[in-house]
Amino acid sequence: QQQVKQSPQSLIVQKGGISIINCAYENTAFDYFPWYQQFPGKGPALLIAIRPDVSEKKEGRFTISFNKSAKQFSLHIMDSQPGDSATYFCAASIGGYALNFGKGTSLLVTP
Amino acid sequence: GAVVSQHPSWVICKSGTSVKIECRSLDFQATTMFWYRQFPKQSLMLMATSNEGSKATYEQGVEKDKFLINHASLTLSTLTVTSAHPEDSSFYICSATDRVASYEQYFGPGTRLTVT
Repeated sequence: QQQVKQSPQSLIVQKGGISIINCAYENTAFDYFPWYQQFPGKGPALLIAIRPDVSEKKEGRFTISFNKSAKQFSLHIMDSQPGDSATYFCAASIGGYALNFGKGTSLLVTP
Repeated sequence: GAVVSQHPSWVICKSGTSVKIECRSLDFQATTMFWYRQFPKQSLMLMATSNEGSKATYEQGVEKDKFLINHASLTLSTLTVTSAHPEDSSFYICSATDRVASYEQYFGPGTRLTVT
């Protein structure tokens, strides 16, 4: 059973545009929501993470928006660049234990 | 961010042999390490959780006698695939966290296992 649902499955954005990836969860016990970036043949790299007591967190071009009542969170990539082309995974965990991953979003940023 | 290494990065072995994969946290002490498996173009599937000095906890459907996990120190965990078969071919990735300090979980670069 997929505890974290991620959409869209794939996304094409022009250079300079905004990439938006959404995730939804059901388990209200989740208290940690990270986003990971993965390039082919590499391990996932932690991009940014948020706790449920905060509605938004920004780090450089990456922003997480968190809606606790809707049980949704999203990743916004501003000024998207071709180098951002990768697979992005949202995840959720309880107390820093095992991550429950979404199915991933393949992002392609065109020049 | 913290650094996690894996060794080897890729390995080819014959069916019936065993393969050991090492996962090390290089600049922090990992109270907990996780092992994941990833098939092409799919998400990560948790195999097991290990805490330093304790027996690993395996996810449902993962054979603990086939995938032996040892977390002997705060910086090292190993995964041994015993009597490997072609269906065990996959991308194995470990992650590590110091849950006492934070919830951040850092992943290794992965190990590509091919069983012929």
